[in-house]
Amino acid sequence: GAVVSQHPSWVICKSGTSVKIECRSLDFQATTMFWYRQFPKQSLMLMATSNEGSKATYEQGVEKDKFLINHASLTLSTLTVTSAHPEDSSFYICSGNRGQGLVSNQPQHFGDGTRLSIL
Amino acid sequence: QKEVEQNSGPLSVPEGAIASLNCTYSDRGSQSFFWYRQYSGKSPELIMSIYSNGDKEDGRFTAQLNKASQYVSLLIRDSQPSDSATYLCAAGAGGGGNKLTFGTGTQLKVEL
Repeated sequence: GAVVSQHPSWVICKSGTSVKIECRSLDFQATTMFWYRQFPKQSLMLMATSNEGSKATYEQGVEKDKFLINHASLTLSTLTVTSAHPEDSSFYICSGNRGQGLVSNQPQHFGDGTRLSIL
Repeated sequence: QKEVEQNSGPLSVPEGAIASLNCTYSDRGSQSFFWYRQYSGKSPELIMSIYSNGDKEDGRFTAQLNKASQYVSLLIRDSQPSDSATYLCAAGAGGGGNKLTFGTGTQLKVEL
């Protein structure tokens, strides 16, 4: 159990385009979803925490107007990279977590990631 | 700043040997710890979770936790070439919430 589906797997588009990435929890309700980006040979960088029905919490240095996150249901969160530029090219990965409340011991389950290339 | 530290490696072990991966964390309030495996170009996959001091075994994998020393380890017995990957250690936020703090990962190479 705990399958997270992420779509699309690959995106290649022109500079200035907006790109939407979907993250779905297939067999559990993800109270919280997380969005990460990862550059080659580097570790995961948390971009934002998304809670169903409320605004996302962005990490320091992440532009909320650039990376729009919507978590409209317990099984779907979307990340939209607006007016993407070559420096936004990266591997974007979402994860879902069953936990809720102040303390959670639930692991995060990752989607397969989206490789975004901006030309 | 809450941190999780790992040796970046690469750690090279011969096939069939035991691979030992180590991790330290700074947040004394952390209650949950996870090991993820990440193949090149892929997303992380959960291998083990551990919450209590001591050892937890699952097949060829054993996770060890020592909260007094703020130390987590992962042992892989009978290492196989397919175990070659980057192993990420993660600690749950001690202050509450669902965030994990990830280490930078240790690259493991299992050689024939």
